Amino acid sequence: TQLLEQSPQFLSIQEGENLTVYCNSSSVFSSLQWYRQEPGEGPVLLVTVVTGGEVKKLKRLTFQFGDARKDSSLHITAAQPGDTGLYLCAGAKGNMLTFGGGTRLMVKP
Amino acid sequence: GAVVSQHPSWVICKSGTSVKIECRSLDFQATTMFWYRQFPKQSLMLMATSNEGSKATYEQGVEKDKFLINHASLTLSTLTVTSAHPEDSSFYICSARAQQGEVGEAFFGQGTRLTVV
Repeated sequence: TQLLEQSPQFLSIQEGENLTVYCNSSSVFSSLQWYRQEPGEGPVLLVTVVTGGEVKKLKRLTFQFGDARKDSSLHITAAQPGDTGLYLCAGAKGNMLTFGGGTRLMVKP
Repeated sequence: GAVVSQHPSWVICKSGTSVKIECRSLDFQATTMFWYRQFPKQSLMLMATSNEGSKATYEQGVEKDKFLINHASLTLSTLTVTSAHPEDSSFYICSARAQQGEVGEAFFGQGTRLTVV
């Protein structure tokens, strides 16, 4: 079983603060995806990283794939209440897609 | 991104009845679809992997006779909750892996809120 550990599990911050979510594994993945889910809806794909060391930016969100393709991070700059939600990382290897436990983020105005 | 449609969005059924949930990939073919269950404020729990034209692979602890999965075509997978009971009430989500685009991307349906009364 491939484990993908995501941390922190919960995060409550004030608007304007920065935060980083981590996704770690002992397994090598061919790609890693980050999703965001709002209550009552399915997860929405934010980004896919494929190359070791790759960095992708999506407005205030910065995603990085570790050099060894075993870990990834999501950094949010100047968080806003609209960033509130459940963030999920998922590692792909062959036909398997392994999800992290999720990080529930709450950004208070 | 690719579109996955899940139907119904919510359903209320009586205990003992069966409920079918459909998952369709609208603009791509998906040889593999996944079914998840999600409890309140928790992450996704993989129930089974649905492979087109073959039997689904169930995760440990998931009753295959209770959660029937059929993947008859490259664009449709169904999950039937048989003889539903209140403890089956949950949020069920499907996802499909896109064959085009970057490696391993999965796109999710909107989810189905099942309430068994």
